[in-house]
Amino acid sequence: GQNIDQPTEMTATEGAIVQINCTYQTSGFNGLFWYQQHAGEAPTFLSYNVLDGLEEKGRFSSFLSRSKGYSYLLLKELQMKDSASYLCAVSDSNYQLIWGAGTKLIIKP
Amino acid sequence: IAGITQAPTSQILAAGRRMTLRCTQDMRHNAMYWYRQDLGLGLRLIHYSNTAGTTGKGEVPDGYSVSRANTDDFPLTLASAVPSQTSVYFCASSERQSEADTQYFGPGTRLTVL
Repeated sequence: GQNIDQPTEMTATEGAIVQINCTYQTSGFNGLFWYQQHAGEAPTFLSYNVLDGLEEKGRFSSFLSRSKGYSYLLLKELQMKDSASYLCAVSDSNYQLIWGAGTKLIIKP
Repeated sequence: IAGITQAPTSQILAAGRRMTLRCTQDMRHNAMYWYRQDLGLGLRLIHYSNTAGTTGKGEVPDGYSVSRANTDDFPLTLASAVPSQTSVYFCASSERQSEADTQYFGPGTRLTVL
C-alpha cells in the first residue's frame, strides 16, 4: 500500500529552527511537495523536490533522499505566522498526489 | 475572479438529500481535482479530470459523481448524502496532471450531513 508518515504535532519557539520530517512508501515516485495550511484555510504550495538534495527558498528549505524515502522541511527564524499545518505529498506513478495527514506546528513566543 | 472559487462556503444537509458543490477556476488549467479532508487523515482524492470532457476516479469515489463540460467548471455531486460524507471538500487545479505541476486549491466547502 501507499503510505506517508509525518509527526502529528510539533512545538517550537519564535526565532528558532524546526525540522518537519516526512517518510513515504508509494507506488512510483514523481516528486514530493510540501504545502502549508493555516487553520480553516486552503493548502498553499511551499516547495517541490524531485532530485536528491536541498532546495532553499528564503526561510524555508526542503530536502529529499529518494533512496531512503525521506524528506524534511526546515523552517528558520520562526515567526508566529508560521503556526500552521504542514502537509507532505508524493506524486505517484500516475501523477496523483498521495498526502500525509499533516504536521501541526505550534509556535510559542 | 482570480484563482479557484467554491460554493457554498458551508452547508448543513439532511441525509438522503442531493447536493452539488460548485468549483470554478479562471487559470485555464487543464487538470482539476476534488479532495476531502477529515481530521487525522490526509487529503483524499475523490475524482479528477485531466481535461475537459474526461473524468477519473480517485481513492474514495463512492457516493460522488463529477462532470467536466468545460475547462473552467468541475462540479461535485452527492446523489444521496450520508453522515460519513461530513467533511471539508477542496477543489484544486493544475496546468496538467504531471509530476512538476503545482496544484492550487480553492477555499473549501464545509459540509455537514445530519
